[in-house]
Amino acid sequence: DIQMTQSPSSLSASVGDRVTITCRASQTIKNYLNWYQQKPGKAPKLLIYGTSTLQSGVPSRFSGSGSGTDFTLTISSLQPEDFATYYCQQSYRTAMFTFGQGTKLEIK
Amino acid sequence: QVQLQESGPGLVKPSGTLSLTCVVSGDSITSTNWWTWVRQPPGKGLEWIGEIYHTGSINYNESLKNRLTISVDKSKNEFSLRLTSVTAADTAVYYCARDRVVRGVPPYFDPWGQGTLVIVSS
Repeated sequence: DIQMTQSPSSLSASVGDRVTITCRASQTIKNYLNWYQQKPGKAPKLLIYGTSTLQSGVPSRFSGSGSGTDFTLTISSLQPEDFATYYCQQSYRTAMFTFGQGTKLEIK
Repeated sequence: QVQLQESGPGLVKPSGTLSLTCVVSGDSITSTNWWTWVRQPPGKGLEWIGEIYHTGSINYNESLKNRLTISVDKSKNEFSLRLTSVTAADTAVYYCARDRVVRGVPPYFDPWGQGTLVIVSS
């Protein structure tokens, strides 16, 4: 299986801060990396697919980058509604999708 | 607007069988997409369970494949999950989602159903 490791596991930040979450794959996944946002009691919501393509309706303060094994999700200026848990997912090996363990973004 | 809705019993006895159905609206289950199941134990992360294509092609999580069956009903535009010999470790919120397949674009899951909590307990 392709293991996905996110860091940090949790993060405290303030409104207006720039935040970066990293995701590392145990082997190359080219650009087959997606990011999801999950709020308590809700289903995950797609933010970014293919490493850097913003899903329709997602604010432009979200951006993604990387390739191969190392990827980042950046929120340029945190808004109150961005406090949530974020998951990366590899879709390179489609017979066995895997997610990162999640990064919980909390208000400082 | 594509929507998915899970349904099924919220309580299953240990050693019993967990059965869930996901009804799809706004898209045909015979489209070029795959249809997938993901679960999330309380307070934990996301685990991919498996997925199906309308032709009957299936991919299963290796850790669950011996207990797992995913099927599709084209006439009802829905797909289903069946997990046998359940234990407390199978207690989770179960989500269905569309595995979006577009030529030249890496696959991704969108949209997701709202999820349904299944508790395994006597």
